[in-house]
Amino acid sequence: DTGVSQDPRHKITKRGQNVTFRCDPISEHNRLYWYRQTLGQGPEFLTYFQNEAQLEKSRLLSDRFSAERPKGSFSTLEIQRTEQGDSAMYLCASNPSGLAAYNEQFFGPGTRLTVL
Amino acid sequence: GENVEQHPSTLSVQEGDSAVIKCTYSDSASNYFPWYKQELGKRPQLIIDIRSNVGEKKDQRIAVTLNKTAKHFSLHITETQPEDSAVYFCAASRIPGGTSYGKLTFGQGTILTVHP
Repeated sequence: DTGVSQDPRHKITKRGQNVTFRCDPISEHNRLYWYRQTLGQGPEFLTYFQNEAQLEKSRLLSDRFSAERPKGSFSTLEIQRTEQGDSAMYLCASNPSGLAAYNEQFFGPGTRLTVL
Repeated sequence: GENVEQHPSTLSVQEGDSAVIKCTYSDSASNYFPWYKQELGKRPQLIIDIRSNVGEKKDQRIAVTLNKTAKHFSLHITETQPEDSAVYFCAASRIPGGTSYGKLTFGQGTILTVHP
């Protein structure tokens, strides 16, 4: 499968624990986005990477959230001291840059986080 | 920031009927408007998109119209089939370039049910 992949697909954790999710974008896609989707809502933007540089962060991304893309390929999203309100689907998307500003964002299957 | 409103939240039609979903956006600088289909437990998938330099785009049974003046765009599905049943999301963004990174702002979603 050459699409965007995410791991794990499901994560159940207890309040206060730390969790880390991984996203592998489509090869050679240098733009990578993280979104959060709660039940019955559309995805909400969290953060954006161009290659290894984190260029935009939403105000939704509190101090407990950190994201990295160290080599400009895969990305990780860590949530520290999880709260029940963090329960959501975390989606990763990627697209290439270049001429003609190809816009389609390809989404991964998401990581569903449940905080007990 | 951008705000996207989507209506209706639920839509029920008979097989073969047409379905129309409408969205409004607030940021006059937005110039890219994709529509995503999300089946239960699956990733969002792009079904059609439109840029602000055109007013209408069609792909088989699906069409999107854009009114830049009114900041309004719509999805039209003709000859609906049961497999069209899903959640549909509209979104708006600025095409990546300069300080714009292409983040998507989504509407709240429309649950479309097509009855056989």
